[in-house]
Amino acid sequence: DVKVTQSSRYLVKRTGEKVFLECVQDMDHENMFWYRQDPGLGLRLIYFSYDVKMKEKGDIPEGYSVSREKKERFSLILESASTNQTSMYLCASSSPAGSTNEKLFFGSGTQLSVL
Amino acid sequence: QQQVKQSPQSLIVQKGGISIINCAYENTAFDYFPWYQQFPGKGPALLIAIRPDVSEKKEGRFTISFNKSAKQFSLHIMDSQPGDSATYFCAASVSSGSARQLTFGSGTQLTVLP
Repeated sequence: DVKVTQSSRYLVKRTGEKVFLECVQDMDHENMFWYRQDPGLGLRLIYFSYDVKMKEKGDIPEGYSVSREKKERFSLILESASTNQTSMYLCASSSPAGSTNEKLFFGSGTQLSVL
Repeated sequence: QQQVKQSPQSLIVQKGGISIINCAYENTAFDYFPWYQQFPGKGPALLIAIRPDVSEKKEGRFTISFNKSAKQFSLHIMDSQPGDSATYFCAASVSSGSARQLTFGSGTQLTVLP
């Protein structure tokens, strides 16, 4: 079965801390994504990567950075966590646009609380 | 900013009824319109998708209706079941190189009463 694994289901951090959210996919997908999900706002794209060491900003990249050193792993970094970054974070991967069975595969999410 | 507007925010339907969720978009460059279904504690999963060259796509009890001129599309769930209770997201996208950036609607929480 296809799998996108996020390292933590729940995470509690303090304001100003550096936070790492890890995501691993086992489908050899080129594309990986980080979204945040907030009630009434849906899913908003933070960053995506279409290849190792390649990254592109999404709609809300401010306050975040990403790292993709290996094809299967995509990390989201909060350099200095703030309370407005309290949210559900979802990682996803996909095969290239236009490919057969193109779709996003999501992990189960990490609920981050910043106190 | 690209937007996809989704309504209603929540929907309660009796078992056996029809659930209808609507979405509207602005960017005429969008070329792919999926619907995702999310159960509590899980990530969203693709339910059904349509491209703008057809006006309707049906998979089992789920149908997407697409109106290109009105820039609207909708999800119809026929014979709704309690197991369909979930949050539904519409989305729209354009290709950006090899990656497709999805813009999601705000979500609809569907409750199907037994």
